Order: sequence, then C-alpha cells, then structure tokens
Amino acid sequence: DAKTTQPPSMDCAEGRAANLPCNHSTISGNEYVYWYRQIHSQGPQYIIHGLKNNETNEMASLIITEDRKSSTLILPHATLRDTAVYYCIVRPRNTGNQFYFGTGTSLTVIP
Amino acid sequence: EAQVTQNPRYLITVTGKKLTVTCSQNMNHEYMSWYRQDPGLGLRQIYYSMNVEVTDKGDVPEGYKVSRKEKRNFPLILESPSPNQTSLYFCASSLSINAGNTIYFGEGSWLTVV
Repeated sequence: DAKTTQPPSMDCAEGRAANLPCNHSTISGNEYVYWYRQIHSQGPQYIIHGLKNNETNEMASLIITEDRKSSTLILPHATLRDTAVYYCIVRPRNTGNQFYFGTGTSLTVIP
Repeated sequence: EAQVTQNPRYLITVTGKKLTVTCSQNMNHEYMSWYRQDPGLGLRQIYYSMNVEVTDKGDVPEGYKVSRKEKRNFPLILESPSPNQTSLYFCASSLSINAGNTIYFGEGSWLTVV
C-alpha cells in the first residue's frame, strides 16, 4: 500500500540534469507534493514543494503532471554533493495528519 | 537561527533502562513529529503532535511515549527500551500540517540498545 513510488536508484553524470520521478496516484486535490533529500544519515533536507503548478527555486524544479498523479524533481546541473537519497512525500487521503516517507531514490552523481 | 535540536545525538543503553530523547524547536511551530529510520525501511513515523496537549500515533508507536506540555518541546520516551528499538531517530516540526508548510528536521539521534 505504497503512498508514493520511486525508483530505488539512479545515476547521473556530473554537470548534467538529474530527473527524479515519483508516482502518487492516490493524491487528493488539496495535498501537496514535497521533496526532501538525505545525505548519509543527516537530517532530511527540504528541497521544494508544490500543489498544482510547476515550481522552481535555487535548488531544483518540480514538475507536476496535470492529473497530479506523478511529479519529477529536476536538479539542473548535478554536482557530486547532490549524491543523496531523495524522498517524494505526499499527505495521503484519509490518513489523518501523517507524512509518509517511502524508501526514496538513491541518486549517485558520477564524476 | 531556525532549528530543531535533538539530544542526545548518540546513546548506548541497556535493555529496560528508561530513556528520554529531547526535541526542541525555536520556530513557534504547532506540529511536531518523531520518526525512526532503519536500513531498507526508510523513515517511519512514531508519534506526532498537532499542538500542545494533542498527540497521536503514527505507524510504529509501540514501545514509545511522547508528551507535548509546551509548544517548543516534544520528548520521546522509551519506558523499557529493547534491542529492536536500536535505530536512528529524527524529530521534525512544521508551522502546521494543513498547508504547504516546510517540515524541518533535527540532525538525528543514534540509539543503540544492548
């Protein structure tokens, strides 16, 4: 009963764009999509979040499909320091106020 | 500086010896939460609190207690720790849960129960 589905691992060449997909087919209309990352075993770090529209900040861009059932996090120019586990999080329908982390995508940026 | 502070960061304890992991935030956040992280299982929520004196169970509450007597503090209590509670623990806070508010995480507490 996964709330989000992400590929377990991805590689990306340094300097290239990293595109990390996430499926969240049960998301409801007023729930946000959040992206966090975790480097080694440090506290998860906020990256970006969105509701319906695409979003961009200094770290990344978030593309949400029109039906909101999936999204893609884009790191435009990946560096070695972007090697981390990336979590896509939504607040599921009918489960109170919990946030669910999946197992995330382990991104390795290759020199 | 806005932050979530956990203590202790590292602890080795023995089975059955009560311990408390403290969590404090300086952002006047209403929502606070505890997670544990284990290899291959990602982050799993233990307990959360919507506001002072309001707490609720997450996915894995067994063996844990929490309290929220003040807005800034949300301690995690292990009354009788067991080896299966050996884990990395994170405290988190957010202005509220009902909007697109950023969740801030502490740096984690490594707990080993022998």
